[in-house]
Parts: sequence; C-alpha cells; structure tokens
Amino acid sequence: DGGITQSPKYLFRKEGQNVTLSCEQNLNHDAMYWYRQDPGQGLRLIYYSQIVNDFQKGDIAEGYSVSREKKESFPLTVTSAQKNPTAFYLCASSIGTGDYNEQFFGPGTRLTVL
Amino acid sequence: QKEVEQNSGPLSVPEGAIASLNCTYSDRVSQSFFWYRQYSGKSPELIMSIYSNGDKEDGRFTAQLNKASQYVSLLIRDSQPSDSATYLCAAPSGYSTLTFGKGTMLLVSP
Repeated sequence: DGGITQSPKYLFRKEGQNVTLSCEQNLNHDAMYWYRQDPGQGLRLIYYSQIVNDFQKGDIAEGYSVSREKKESFPLTVTSAQKNPTAFYLCASSIGTGDYNEQFFGPGTRLTVL
Repeated sequence: QKEVEQNSGPLSVPEGAIASLNCTYSDRVSQSFFWYRQYSGKSPELIMSIYSNGDKEDGRFTAQLNKASQYVSLLIRDSQPSDSATYLCAAPSGYSTLTFGKGTMLLVSP
C-alpha cells in the first residue's frame, strides 16, 4: 500500500525535552511538508522540503528543526525552544508543484506537553 | 500574503439536501484550488481539485471556480450524515506551498 505514515500517533513531552516526530512516504513524492494544527485553527506550515538535503522554513519554524537525508523520510524535531508545542502535527507530501501541488496527508501525531 | 477565507460555520443541512460550502481568496493569480475533508480527530483528505474556471463534478461533489469573482465553492448533493466534517479550501501560495483556509464545519442531520 502506498501512503504516508507518521509515528507515534500520540506523544507526551515533558517541559525542556526535545522530541522527534517521524514521517515516511512510499509514494515517490519529491516534496514533503510539516504543518501544525491547533483547535479551531487552520493548518500552519512549519517546514517544507522539495528535494533531498534541502528544506525551507515555513510560517512558524521557530522552535522546530527538520532533516531530509532520504527522499522517503522527513522527521520533525520539536525543541525545548518551542514554547507552546501542544498541537496536532501533520506531515504531507506532493509530486506536483505550483498550480498542481496536490498534497496528501499522513494520519498525524498528537503532541501534548505535560 | 495570499489569504483564503472560509465561513467557520457550522453549516447545518438535513439529510438529502444540497450543502454549499464557499471559499474566497485574495490572489487573482491563483489558477487552481483544492478541497479537503477533515473528520474530527483525523487528518485532511483531498476530495477535489479544480484547475480551471467552471464546474468539476465527481460523484455527489461539484466544485465551482469563478476566477473573476475570486470565489470557489463545493456543492455536496444528497448530503449524508457521514459527510459531517470540516471542509478545508486550499490554494497555491508559491511554487511549492499551499495556503489553507480555516475550514467550514458541516453538520448533516438525519
């Protein structure tokens, strides 16, 4: 089955800890994205990557870091510098660009700060 | 900065009725739009892409794009309780990113 997987489904973090969210895709898509969704809010772009070993900051990159060492994988690290990390984190991928940028989402990771 | 606006709702319709969801956008350059459905607690699912002016039909769903008015809509015919979800509209905001609206909640009552 082709698709996007995210793990874990639920994650609990203590204050001061860094945590890493996993995102893997076997769709052979070049571009991958990380979004954050808060209750009643739209999707906000954290980071995106169009090719391996390259990524760009989105609208709310502060307190987050990413890597893109393989085409299939785009992990997101939520650092202790992120002051309000409790949210639903969504990973997406796409094969098109510009007007043909259909993005497909993974199931998400719900992060809670204890 | 491109903006995509949606009424937050909830939009309530009875089962079997037509649900009409609307989205306006600020950028006249946008050539395509995407509609996503998001069930509570789940991730968004792409249900419709529209690339040109006019209507696009897929089963019970019809997307309508009016570039002159900067307006795109999604019609759901014969609405079912299983259609109850939040519907997100998205438009390209550059070479490789999308801007999403905050979504409209649809409630279909039996």
